[in-house]
Amino acid sequence: EAGVTQFPSHSVIEKGQTVTLRCDPISGHDNLYWYRRVMGKEIKFLLHFVKESKQDESGMPNNRFLAERTGGTYSTLKVQPAELEDSGVYFCASSPGVYTEAFFGQGTRLTVV
Amino acid sequence: QKEVEQDPGPLSVPEGAIVSLNCTYSNSAFQYFMWYRQYSRKGPELLMYTYSSGNKEDGRFTAQVDKSSKYISLFIRDSQPSDSATYLCAPSLTSYGKLTFGQGTILTVHP
Repeated sequence: EAGVTQFPSHSVIEKGQTVTLRCDPISGHDNLYWYRRVMGKEIKFLLHFVKESKQDESGMPNNRFLAERTGGTYSTLKVQPAELEDSGVYFCASSPGVYTEAFFGQGTRLTVV
Repeated sequence: QKEVEQDPGPLSVPEGAIVSLNCTYSNSAFQYFMWYRQYSRKGPELLMYTYSSGNKEDGRFTAQVDKSSKYISLFIRDSQPSDSATYLCAPSLTSYGKLTFGQGTILTVHP
């Protein structure tokens, strides 16, 4: 069975541009999480979807970040416009339920120059 | 003050050594305590899961939680070069729902 897949694995964009990250969760997993790790810092929670609904978006840093989950399947995280401080590794994780193990993808490394 | 403090290391030990990794946390409401292992260029993978205080053992790995002192530990016995990775503690209020990660400790086990 395929694990959590993230696209692209690496993205380099200029400040002010728009970038969209994609996460394909494990099939059947209703719960989808986004996390990110900026340089030298810990991995931080961004938001949590249950199916297509945002359960908790308390970790979203500002309104330049927009997350969607179409039909409760894959999810996208758009950053518009990107700033230098957005550089880091963005992780997606999915689980069948909140009390079951969440599996992480390999991450998308975003570099804003 | 960070919610979870973890010494980033790096920590280098010889093969066969006992490794002790530790975290402290400030939020007394944390009930679930996870340890994740992350290899280079990979996502974190769950290593150990503990609910509330106490010990849990799984093979060469032992997780300890002391809620009275807000202290989390992971012990690795007979460490192997394949254990070389970053180890992240991750307590949570709601199990896997929203993890609060420590900074991670980089461990290298050399032959």
